[in-house]
Amino acid sequence: AQSVTQLDSQVPVFEEAPVELRCNYSSSVSVYLFWYVQYPNQGLQLLLKYLSGSTLVESINGFEAEFNKSQTSFHLRKPSVHISDTAEYFCAVREQGGSEKLVFGKGTKLTVNP
Amino acid sequence: DAGVTQSPTHLIKTRGQQVTLRCSPKSGHDTVSWYQQALGQGPQFIFQYYEEEERQRGNFPDRFSGHQFPNYSSELNVNALLLGDSALYLCASSLYQGFSGNTIYFGEGSWLTVV
Repeated sequence: AQSVTQLDSQVPVFEEAPVELRCNYSSSVSVYLFWYVQYPNQGLQLLLKYLSGSTLVESINGFEAEFNKSQTSFHLRKPSVHISDTAEYFCAVREQGGSEKLVFGKGTKLTVNP
Repeated sequence: DAGVTQSPTHLIKTRGQQVTLRCSPKSGHDTVSWYQQALGQGPQFIFQYYEEEERQRGNFPDRFSGHQFPNYSSELNVNALLLGDSALYLCASSLYQGFSGNTIYFGEGSWLTVV
């Protein structure tokens, strides 16, 4: 079984400041790692994913996440946030090997203030 | 290209009633999963349908059932509604590739309130 812990339920930051949203996972088998974003009153959108290869993955809107196997972490970072980044961010894992089931953390609410 | 569409967007039901939620997957997708997202929580996997059969199930009681149609659309049924069933129900679709790294797309969800 897998579990995901998002260490911060809420993160308030000022516009143009850097941000890190923390995610740790536990699994007895190899997993793939994902970050999803949920804007108010909307569904989930895939932000980025780690499958294999380089441990640093990037999204098209400036976010990046680094897979750290020894620390079982997959923290999400952005060097300079915008008001439009205000949303809830979910870290998720999927067991490698064909399972479709995503296991999510409880989410981190990012609020970017002017 | 339409994404994952769900209906209805909002509904209110009384305890003990039954509800049916509907989902049309993204064009070209053949696999549908359902998730329950309670307020302040992350989504929890209910079950997955592929080739009109339930392939995987999460930790939900038998009151939760589903169906997938030949056109890949799906329904989620919940019987004997409880107050605790109040949540956002998300439908997700993907193209089965025997590879769990494929991208899963989510709909905007159906908000169910049980009173």
